[in-house]
Formats: sequence, structure tokens, C-alpha cells
Amino acid sequence: EDKVVQSPLSLVVHEGDTVTLNCSYEVTNFRSLLWYKQEKKAPTFLFMLTSSGIEKKSGRLSSILDKKELFSILNITATQTGDSAIYLCAVGTNAGNMLTFGGGTRLMVKP
Amino acid sequence: DGGITQSPKYLFRKEGQNVTLSCEQNLNHDAMYWYRQDPGQGLRLIYYSQIVNDFQKGDIAEGYSVSREKKESFPLTVTSAQKNPTAFYLCASSIDQGRETQYFGPGTRLLVL
Repeated sequence: EDKVVQSPLSLVVHEGDTVTLNCSYEVTNFRSLLWYKQEKKAPTFLFMLTSSGIEKKSGRLSSILDKKELFSILNITATQTGDSAIYLCAVGTNAGNMLTFGGGTRLMVKP
Repeated sequence: DGGITQSPKYLFRKEGQNVTLSCEQNLNHDAMYWYRQDPGQGLRLIYYSQIVNDFQKGDIAEGYSVSREKKESFPLTVTSAQKNPTAFYLCASSIDQGRETQYFGPGTRLLVL
């Protein structure tokens, strides 16, 4: 059975801090790893990673994949209160376009 | 203005009642999905559909049913057989079978009276 585990479960930081969120996976026929940000309602897409060692970056957010060790990290630098959200990691396989989601990391950024 | 819409925003179900959650997309996506999210947990797949008139069970399909009569619509019925339906329900779509990036609707929160 495919499994995706995120850590930590929750995190409280102050504005300006840097955070690292972790996602490890055990799946058959890995194809891609996706990160989403969920504020109040709909998760919004952040990144899709398919190759090891290539960093994806968008503003203060960046992510990298390690296919040998089967994990990904999501970094957020200079955090702002607007970064407060649940961050979801999901893995796609070659079996189709279904995704297996991790349990999420709840990030709270205090002013 | 393309996107995915879900209605209602909140839904209350009485004991023994079937309720239907609406999901519509105007993105021209072939594939659509229904997920359930419980507090402190990730998303679990209920049903998915790759194409009109075809759908498959996900990990937690018991007590739910779906239909896909039109490309843009994928309604979910929570039947009375679903004994613990209180959750946040998210609908998503993706372009086609080869593309896994999914885009989500705003969700429906279902509460049991």
C-alpha cells in the first residue's frame, strides 16, 4: 500500500523565521511529488517535482526531491503571517493520475 | 473565469437521509475526483472518474455513490449507509489521465444533525 508521511504535524514560528517541512514516501512506481497549500478551503498547487536534486523555487518557497532517500522538503524563508496554512504533500505514480496524500503539516506564523 | 465550483458550502444531514454534493468545472478537464478530509488528516480518495460515463472506487468508497453524465459535472451522494459522514469534502479535476496535477474546488462541509 502506498504511504506518504509528513512531519512535523504542526509548527508554530514567528514572522521572519525559516521553516522546513518534510515529506517521505513509500510508493510503487513513483512518478511525481506535489506540494499544495491549504488555507481555509481549496488546496492550491505549489510545486510538482519529478527529478532528484533539482530545486523548484517560487519567491520565498522552494522544494527539492531526493528519489534515493524517498523524501522531499519544502522550505519557506522569511515567513509571513500569510504563510499560515496546512501544507499537503502528495505522490503520483505511473499507475494513473491518482494522488496519495500525506496527513499535512499545519504551520502557524505569529506576528 | 475558469474554475471548479462546489455547492453547497455547508450541508446538514439528518439520520437516514441521502444528500448530494455538487461539483462543476469549466476547465474542460477529463478527470475528476472526490476526497474526504477529516480534522488533522490528509485527503482520502472516495471516487474518481477519468472520462464521462466511467468512474472508479477510491480508498473509502463505501457509503458513497457518484455519477458522471456530463464532462463538467461529478456529483457525490452521501448515502445513509455512510455512518460517519461528518467531514470536509473536496472535489478536484485534472486535465487528463496523463497529467496528475489536480486543481481543487472550495469544498463542502457536511454536518450530521
